[in-house]
Amino acid sequence: RKEVEQDPGPFNVPEGATVAFNCTYSNSASQSFFWYRQDCRKEPKLLMSVYSSGNEDGRFTAQLNRASQYISLLIRDSKLSDSATYLCVVNPSNNAGGTSYGKLTFGQGTILTVHP
Amino acid sequence: DVKVTQSSRYLVKRTGEKVFLECVQDMDHENMFWYRQDPGLGLRLIYFSYDVKMKEKGDIPEGYSVSREKKERFSLILESASTNQTSMYLCASTNSGGSYEQYFGPGTRLTVT
Repeated sequence: RKEVEQDPGPFNVPEGATVAFNCTYSNSASQSFFWYRQDCRKEPKLLMSVYSSGNEDGRFTAQLNRASQYISLLIRDSKLSDSATYLCVVNPSNNAGGTSYGKLTFGQGTILTVHP
Repeated sequence: DVKVTQSSRYLVKRTGEKVFLECVQDMDHENMFWYRQDPGLGLRLIYFSYDVKMKEKGDIPEGYSVSREKKERFSLILESASTNQTSMYLCASTNSGGSYEQYFGPGTRLTVT
């Protein structure tokens, strides 16, 4: 089983639509969770961190369900500029109990295309 | 703003050549990482470093080595390039502790012929 699994898509949605991406992770001791965005031929950049209580940043809402080891990202009122690949990212715990040195495990990414 | 730079955006090398990819960050980050990104496989960690002269293998270290002689610089070395090392190579850095947000360089697209 992959450490972080995402539906690769692609998702093709019209402007103004609401779209949701899901992600599951296998390491129940994982500590931190993120969504990164990667534009075509560009490097990944942090979109938002994901907190247990859920968090919102404008049109973007991220949620974490530790019991189900599940992370989601909801985008409301999609814009053309939201077209990108969205990467689900997890900071796994170090099983030896030491620091993870900031290592992150990336999902394959979900491709989103927003069309007029 | 954090800046991570990589020595080349595009590189074409021949099979068997020794290849050096360099990465420099300007935020005094302790941790630095090298990934490769391939379609359908996502980002895979090759090596990382948590301090000068310290390095740890990632998930796919075979065929690669790294060097970190200065805190701001992390080099990836392909000892003898092969065609299956054709890929996008991404460098990243992060601080210890805190949010662990990784800052990426623009990537080097390496083609081995």
